[in-house]
Amino acid sequence: SQQGEEDPQALSIQEGENATMNCSYKTSINNLQWYRQNSGRGLVHLILIRSNEREKHSGRLRVTLDTSKKSSSLLITASRAADTASYFCATPSGGYTGKLIFGQGTTLQVKP
Amino acid sequence: EAQVTQNPRYLITVTGKKLTVTCSQNMNHEYMSWYRQDPGLGLRQIYYSMNVEVTDKGDVPEGYKVSRKEKRNFPLILESPSPNQTSLYFCASTKTGAYEQYFGPGTRLTVT
Repeated sequence: SQQGEEDPQALSIQEGENATMNCSYKTSINNLQWYRQNSGRGLVHLILIRSNEREKHSGRLRVTLDTSKKSSSLLITASRAADTASYFCATPSGGYTGKLIFGQGTTLQVKP
Repeated sequence: EAQVTQNPRYLITVTGKKLTVTCSQNMNHEYMSWYRQDPGLGLRQIYYSMNVEVTDKGDVPEGYKVSRKEKRNFPLILESPSPNQTSLYFCASTKTGAYEQYFGPGTRLTVT
């Protein structure tokens, strides 16, 4: 079952612009994570935000979490061509840390 | 270097021919998982393991087997592959108490 639904499915921007991706989820969570996947390759963990946090920063990444709306957003500022990838939100399933439920992902293309 | 490795990276096989995809991690993580990624369906967990000799089904376990005889290794076994198991497979690991997962580079399997 899909926990996270992402929006938009695809996004195309110019280098230097900001990119915003949104994720909605269905059940209560204790954290939400964002991963990046370059074409056909393994996923790389970007950032984790806990349910008691509203906003978190990591370099050019800013993540927000609104537990009342069950939604999160990922903002990439001053995007670069190297940011071209698919981005997924993921939430843990129940209390077990070994299972993540992923959204469908947003495919970001950054044009040089 | 901390990493999760998978072999083979690419595999083309025929229906019914047993195969094993290996996964190994060098981070001493307790939890390991297998996911498959399909267009339009996202990533779905196949099996997971909480530690040596402890495994359980994920969301799509049919047609797969796993074993965890050593902490570092978590092979995925397809006893009788079928074309609907054509997919991109990822192994992942995480340590007790953590949520972020480390993914392998993926194995692209084609069953004809």
